[in-house]
Amino acid sequence: KAGVTQTPRYLIKTRGQQVTLSCSPISGHRSVSWYQQTPGQGLQFLFEYFSETQRNKGNFPGRFSGRQFSNSRSEMNVSTLELGDSALYLCASRLGTTNNSPLHFGNGTRLTVT
Amino acid sequence: DQQVKQNSPSLSVQEGRISILNCDYTNSMFDYFLWYKKYPAEGPTFLISISSIKDKNEDGRFTVFLNKSAKHLSLHIVPSQPGDSAVYFCAAIAYSGAGSYQLTFGKGTKLSVIP
Repeated sequence: KAGVTQTPRYLIKTRGQQVTLSCSPISGHRSVSWYQQTPGQGLQFLFEYFSETQRNKGNFPGRFSGRQFSNSRSEMNVSTLELGDSALYLCASRLGTTNNSPLHFGNGTRLTVT
Repeated sequence: DQQVKQNSPSLSVQEGRISILNCDYTNSMFDYFLWYKKYPAEGPTFLISISSIKDKNEDGRFTVFLNKSAKHLSLHIVPSQPGDSAVYFCAAIAYSGAGSYQLTFGKGTKLSVIP
């Protein structure tokens, strides 16, 4: 069974631009979550989607948005990029949204904003 | 407000010895806890979990202990191997409404196992 796939692996953008990251979950997984990892801050939750609906949202500004398609694939968009948005963006999928359903992570998209 | 804290950013252990990684939490609504391991340039991988109704869970060389009264959990790795060198994240789950459970991660502890 293929794992969580994120594209692209690396991305360089300039301030003010916008970016779209893509995530394909494990087949059969309907929940997709996005996390931002920066040095010293660990994994910070962005949002979670389940069956095309946003279920949870973290404390990030409105410049960060996402969506999920009917095939469970998800995209994350960041508009008006800032230098501080440079980070590893991780997508994770899980079978359901119950408390004992562990997340399975992709290898991330490394975004660098210059 | 950091609800899941890993106070040691790094830990070095000799090969063959025990590694103990610690995690504290503040939210009493957390009812499920997980440990993830992350190598550079890869996403975190699920290692082991424990429900709040238990105080110990073992899986091979990995054991997680939960002390609910102290709001503390720890991951023990025995014996430690060089391949265990990675960043370990503690995570906790609480019900977030609308039938969904949300994970909160700590900042991670970098474990280095010295041959």
